[in-house]
Amino acid sequence: NAGVMQNPRHLVRRRGQEARLRCSPMKGHSHVYWYRQLPEEGLKFMVYLQKENIIDESGMPKERFSAEFPKEGPSILRIQQVVRGDSAAYFCASSEGGRLEKLFFGSGTQLSVL
Amino acid sequence: AQKITQTQPGMFVQEKEAVTLDCTYDTSDQSYGLFWYKQPSSGEMIFLIYQGSYDEQNATEGRYSLNFQKARKSANLVISASQLGDSAMYFCAMRDTNTGGGNKLTFGTGTQLKVEL
Repeated sequence: NAGVMQNPRHLVRRRGQEARLRCSPMKGHSHVYWYRQLPEEGLKFMVYLQKENIIDESGMPKERFSAEFPKEGPSILRIQQVVRGDSAAYFCASSEGGRLEKLFFGSGTQLSVL
Repeated sequence: AQKITQTQPGMFVQEKEAVTLDCTYDTSDQSYGLFWYKQPSSGEMIFLIYQGSYDEQNATEGRYSLNFQKARKSANLVISASQLGDSAMYFCAMRDTNTGGGNKLTFGTGTQLKVEL
């Protein structure tokens, strides 16, 4: 799983600022997933993307959160006007294909909102 | 909706002993996938083992094996010859088959394993 690269590793923002989290999938992987882990909880699915397409965003909050996976470059999870409740670990995962493929995670970005 | 249940919030095991971490799942799908991940204190999620619902053999990866009992809907992780470095949080997860072709996973709440000398 070392191949999925996330940055930054830690991100501190004040309330009302924007947070941008980046994820470069493993080489050859075209499917990207974002998960959120609140303290003392398991991971919760947020969004599933393929290149230039959002496939499933059923886990994304309706406001302030957006995600993209452009043709070139990393996938970006963007949180606008952050609030304290957004403080969490955000994990990106990638797979080579769809359902039959194993999923590999990055090391996560720990977002802290002051 | 799919659900994963891990009933052991914390477990202790002596070094070099084997330990079983429990996981039960609930699904109406015939085709599904089950995963185990390890999360050490540093926070990263490390893939351990995968079992497909149609796999006839229990999955094994080194010291990790998955005791898959389909009729009971259980997918317990067995770690043999525990090492101090196995101390971590362990998550069981199931692939959600309602997603259009994707790897959306539903996670359990985790089991904190502590390996003692």
